[in-house]
Amino acid sequence: EDQVTQSPEALRLQEGESSSLNCSYTVSGLRGLFWYRQDPGKGPEFLFTLYSAGEEKEKERLKATLTKKESFLHITAPKPEDSATYLCAVQARGATNKLIFGTGTLLAVQP
Amino acid sequence: SQTIHQWPATLVQPVGSPLSLECTVEGTSNPNLYWYRQAAGRGLQLLFYSVGIGQISSEVPQNLSASRPQDRQFILSSKKLLLSDSGFYLCAWSPTSPTQYFGPGTRLTVL
Repeated sequence: EDQVTQSPEALRLQEGESSSLNCSYTVSGLRGLFWYRQDPGKGPEFLFTLYSAGEEKEKERLKATLTKKESFLHITAPKPEDSATYLCAVQARGATNKLIFGTGTLLAVQP
Repeated sequence: SQTIHQWPATLVQPVGSPLSLECTVEGTSNPNLYWYRQAAGRGLQLLFYSVGIGQISSEVPQNLSASRPQDRQFILSSKKLLLSDSGFYLCAWSPTSPTQYFGPGTRLTVL
């Protein structure tokens, strides 16, 4: 069964303290892995799509990486405005319309 | 650029009442459309998806139904709401690529 597990469930950082969020997945052939940011009471905001192991993508203070079993979202020198829930999802080959989501990591960055 | 709208933003309904949530997409043609539900502490769950007008696929048997009367309009309905239907309902769209883009969501509370 396709599955996504995110860790930690919650993370508290000081402003400027870099860290990483983990997304472990099991899927019968990966078509894509997706990272989203979700603010309270709002819809998820798309961040990155990764397609194959070894791929990396960056956006401002965020960098996403992908291996055959997991993905990391690295946050460099975070600011309070980076506080949000970060969601990871996968799409399997042959299930082209279905995303399997993890339960997310709630990130709080304190000034 | 593409924009996705959902309404209403919040809704409080009694058990047994009907439901109609609407989603529209602007700035694209023939998108794939999706309905997700997000329950507290759980990942997003795909409810329905549509690849064209009148074409609906259901992922989870339940008290809900979906319709796509126009190319860029997606409607989620119920004849009689249950307490368990409470949650945050998200509409999403995707172009030919696998990445899905989410709307602002509707918070439904069934009392």
